[in-house]
Amino acid sequence: AQKITQTQPGMFVQEKEAVTLDCTYDTSDPSYGLFWYKQPSSGEMIFLIYQGSYDQQNATEGRYSLNFQKARKSANLVISASQLGDSAMYFCAMREGSNFGNEKLTFGTGTRLTIIP
Amino acid sequence: DVKVTQSSRYLVKRTGEKVFLECVQDMDHENMFWYRQDPGLGLRLIYFSYDVKMKEKGDIPEGYSVSREKKERFSLILESASTNQTSMYLCASVGWGALVREQYFGPGTRLTVT
Repeated sequence: AQKITQTQPGMFVQEKEAVTLDCTYDTSDPSYGLFWYKQPSSGEMIFLIYQGSYDQQNATEGRYSLNFQKARKSANLVISASQLGDSAMYFCAMREGSNFGNEKLTFGTGTRLTIIP
Repeated sequence: DVKVTQSSRYLVKRTGEKVFLECVQDMDHENMFWYRQDPGLGLRLIYFSYDVKMKEKGDIPEGYSVSREKKERFSLILESASTNQTSMYLCASVGWGALVREQYFGPGTRLTVT
């Protein structure tokens, strides 16, 4: 089974609208972390936001927020008031186990987001 | 700022050649990773290293080897390049961000094997 599933290969969104990028995960480990990365066309991977499995509140970072629904095993990225510079590939990733010791990430297949002016 | 550099942005090699991809980080990080990225497949882990001279296989190690002689440098080696190794290769090192240990990525090397 896929550990990280991103079901939207591509999305087109009008500028200034909010956008939700879907991510579901599969793990039996009670301790895990979920990451979102952005990859512009230049290729570098940029860390956006993190949610730990024991975090009580949804993570937020500026215009980014993570809609964490633990029972459904979903960790959707929400971008508010989208901008042209948000056009990029977005990857969801999971680290299983505690913060220390296991640093490996499993990535999803990504969603290509295009913001339309 | 953490800086992870990779020796080349673009590389073209012939089938059967031995290929070296170099990755250097300047933050004294212990943990380093090599991924390949292919359309529709996301990033897949090839090898990683938790310390000098230490390496562990990732999910797709076949056809690759690695070397970590110094803490700051992690090299990926394609012993005999094949066309199915045409891909984007990304190196990362792990260190503390503002709240969590993050993977910091290099700019990537787009390798074409002809």
